[in-house]
Amino acid sequence: SAVISQKPSRDICQRGTSLTIQCQVDSQVTMMFWYRQQPGQSLTLIATANQGSEATYESGFVIDKFPISRPNLTFSTLTVSNMSPEDSSIYLCSVARTGSLGYTFGSGTRLTVV
Amino acid sequence: GESVGLHLPTLSVQEGDNSIINCAYSNSASDYFIWYKQESGKGPQFIIDIRSNMDKRQGQRVTVLLNKTVKHLSLQIAATQPGDSAVYFCAERGNTDKLIFGTGTRLQVFP
Repeated sequence: SAVISQKPSRDICQRGTSLTIQCQVDSQVTMMFWYRQQPGQSLTLIATANQGSEATYESGFVIDKFPISRPNLTFSTLTVSNMSPEDSSIYLCSVARTGSLGYTFGSGTRLTVV
Repeated sequence: GESVGLHLPTLSVQEGDNSIINCAYSNSASDYFIWYKQESGKGPQFIIDIRSNMDKRQGQRVTVLLNKTVKHLSLQIAATQPGDSAVYFCAERGNTDKLIFGTGTRLQVFP
């Protein structure tokens, strides 16, 4: 299965600022996803990162708040913009290959907004 | 540090007993299901999966049962060990490639 490197592993940020999270995969994957896990809760899908085109966002998530890039088949970034304390969560990258049954997760970025 | 699963349902079992964790899924068109284990400070770790054309699949000490009639999934862990203590999530793949997660259950194993 793919190996994911997610950076940073954790950060403490001031409200009103933005943080960009990176997801690097050790092999080419067709699908990349970004999830949010609020404290004590399950994982919620933010968006599907599409190579060379705009990400596909789930209900309740918008591009202005969570811009996503995916320049190639091994790398994606998620930006959390204009942060507020409510954005304090774990953000996780996940990857899969079309036709494959494996979905692998990174170790997550633990974001605290103060 | 923060803890995963603070507000989730909790299952407490004695070491050596069998554990059964249940999950209700929402989409009758889902064709693939996965159980994940998440320890504090880590990302979800794959445990076992099952396709919708099966109703049972066994791994090492774990068994997944799928009941499509009532849209129910269960994870059975045999001879539960302290290292099994974690939060467990079921996830379903619907008619897109997106993986949608269930609520989660925190498993506590006591001696």
